[in-house]
Amino acid sequence: DAKTTQPPSMDCAEGRAANLPCNHSTISGNEYVYWYRQIHSQGPQYIIHGLKNNETNEMASLIITEDRKSSTLILPHATLRDTAVYYCIVRSITGANSKLTFGKGITLSVRP
Amino acid sequence: NAGVTQTPKFRILKIGQSMTLQCTQDMNHNYMYWYRQDPGMGLKLIYYSVGAGITDKGEVPNGYNVSRSTTEDFPLRLELAAPSQTSVYFCASSYNPGSTEAFFGQGTRLTVV
Repeated sequence: DAKTTQPPSMDCAEGRAANLPCNHSTISGNEYVYWYRQIHSQGPQYIIHGLKNNETNEMASLIITEDRKSSTLILPHATLRDTAVYYCIVRSITGANSKLTFGKGITLSVRP
Repeated sequence: NAGVTQTPKFRILKIGQSMTLQCTQDMNHNYMYWYRQDPGMGLKLIYYSVGAGITDKGEVPNGYNVSRSTTEDFPLRLELAAPSQTSVYFCASSYNPGSTEAFFGQGTRLTVV
């Protein structure tokens, strides 16, 4: 059973912000929200994660709603190299739900 | 730090043959994972391990076996290769405990003919 739902695809213009949504309405209190991306056939790459506060790093920002039922990954200035499949994952840090389980992800296409 | 290293990168097997996909990490991670990814699909978890001597099944374990005798190594064994096992296989590792990232290898592309 899917723990997250994402639209199948979206696109954005190069240089603009890309806002990738994710729903996780059944998230429990000890589960984190993770984002990974996979460029073409490479191994997935970690982007960012958070529990309830908004997070920012050199790659992206993660905005988590107050009720934690949804989140948005923001790539502030998308480039062509950001074209990839982006996976939103919920995961606890211990126990049966600690393994990384990937859904279908959202395919982001950045157009020139 | 080499990270997560998978060998081989490519392999063609005949139906019924067996092989072992190797995965080694040098980051002293406790958690290790094996995934497969079919064309155009997301990653499916085959097996995972939370530490040396401990392994557990993921979503699609049938046709595979694993072992974890050391922290560094997590080999995946295919005993009787079938065409349905044609896929790209990814190994990954992460720390435990803590909410930290997982590191992935570059994948092994396996074709069973």
